[in-house]
Amino acid sequence: GQQLNQSPQSMFIQEGEDVSMNCTSSSIFNTWLWYKQDPGEGPVLLIALYKAGELTSNGRLTAQFGITRKDSFLNISASIPSDVGIYFCAGQSYGNKLVFGAGTILRVKS
Amino acid sequence: DGGITQSPKYLFRKEGQNVTLSCEQNLNHDAMYWYRQDPGQGLRLIYYSQIVNDFQKGDIAEGYSVSREKKESFPLTVTSAQKNPTAFYLCASRDGSSYEQYFGPGTRLTVT
Repeated sequence: GQQLNQSPQSMFIQEGEDVSMNCTSSSIFNTWLWYKQDPGEGPVLLIALYKAGELTSNGRLTAQFGITRKDSFLNISASIPSDVGIYFCAGQSYGNKLVFGAGTILRVKS
Repeated sequence: DGGITQSPKYLFRKEGQNVTLSCEQNLNHDAMYWYRQDPGQGLRLIYYSQIVNDFQKGDIAEGYSVSREKKESFPLTVTSAQKNPTAFYLCASRDGSSYEQYFGPGTRLTVT
């Protein structure tokens, strides 16, 4: 079946740093979605991407739909403490179910 | 306010008992989904429904059952046949014209 590899698995951030994470797949997707989940809550949709090469921003977040349609990237600029949480990518090809990555855990450096 | 509600937030049951988790949406979405989340893992699809009175098994349907008698409601029953039921359960819905799924706040089920 389709699988997504999301990396890094976890990362520590210092306030003000830029953050990057990505998802790769062996399959082609037509849609990429990025979600953020706070502890004990449901995931919240951050950005939806529908076209290869598309670059979409939501405030300090920017996501890109890879040109090969097998990957996607999420960048967070000038991170703040409330950015901590788990970020999930999800991909879907026509007629198939949404497939989720295992998540990237964002923590604050102490 | 439009959204998805799941109740209760926390649920405790003894082993051997069936338990039903509630999911309601007032977004007028056609499709609804149930996912299971375990620590350190992504979301795994249990069941989904694209239309009232119809539903399909997901990747881990064994030990679970669902019904879809109304558009706005998609309850999930965790049966005693589910070998490892303790988990965080998430319900989601999707408008028919979009691939974007929107999630409820989740129910944490603990079976002892």
